[in-house]
Amino acid sequence: DTEVTQTPKHLVMGMTNKKSLKCEQHMGHRAMYWYKQKAKKPPELMFVYSYEKLSINESVPSRFSPECPNSSLLNLHLHALQPEDSALYLCASSQQWLNEQFFGPGTRLTVL
Amino acid sequence: GENVEQHPSTLSVQEGDSAVIKCTYSDSASNYFPWYKQELGKRPQLIIDIRSNVGEKKDQRIAVTLNKTAKHFSLHITETQPEDSAVYFCAASSDSNYQLIWGAGTKLIIKP
Repeated sequence: DTEVTQTPKHLVMGMTNKKSLKCEQHMGHRAMYWYKQKAKKPPELMFVYSYEKLSINESVPSRFSPECPNSSLLNLHLHALQPEDSALYLCASSQQWLNEQFFGPGTRLTVL
Repeated sequence: GENVEQHPSTLSVQEGDSAVIKCTYSDSASNYFPWYKQELGKRPQLIIDIRSNVGEKKDQRIAVTLNKTAKHFSLHITETQPEDSAVYFCAASSDSNYQLIWGAGTKLIIKP
């Protein structure tokens, strides 16, 4: 399996909802990433997990909470989001930190 | 910190012609330079990358050149085809920098 998968593909949520985004890879990669991408902009790094430990948190608001249950899974828990958080959320993985990154298809999030 | 500038922001070329996208970086310690292609509504996909120990790399119609002295690298696409239409992002990273620093992107339009 040479793909990164993400669910759901689309998510619409209200500002009081709690939801989770999921990411999975079975390539044996030890680094996993969450990015946020706004239209016509490059991906913006949010979190990096290396060997299942949170290595980087790019000053992301606490309404975004990452979790890495095992080496193949990465979750992003969402709570009390704002409309400006609406974006494409991309998961990526790489064999090790800073090697070639493989991106998932993303979750298109809309916050009402 | 590292900064990556990418030009042009939009490039329109006739089908069959060549396209060149240029990026400059500021951190002389940068040693990894990937190029990603992102079609509308799709994930970024790595199309080619280069490390600082080589000056040029080719893969069929795509090539990347690196000038470490001038701190710039370029993507060359020959014999362009309609399916080359997309946004292209360059990026740079170093062993001491924990993340990819992305360029702003170039929208490539292939005119039939």
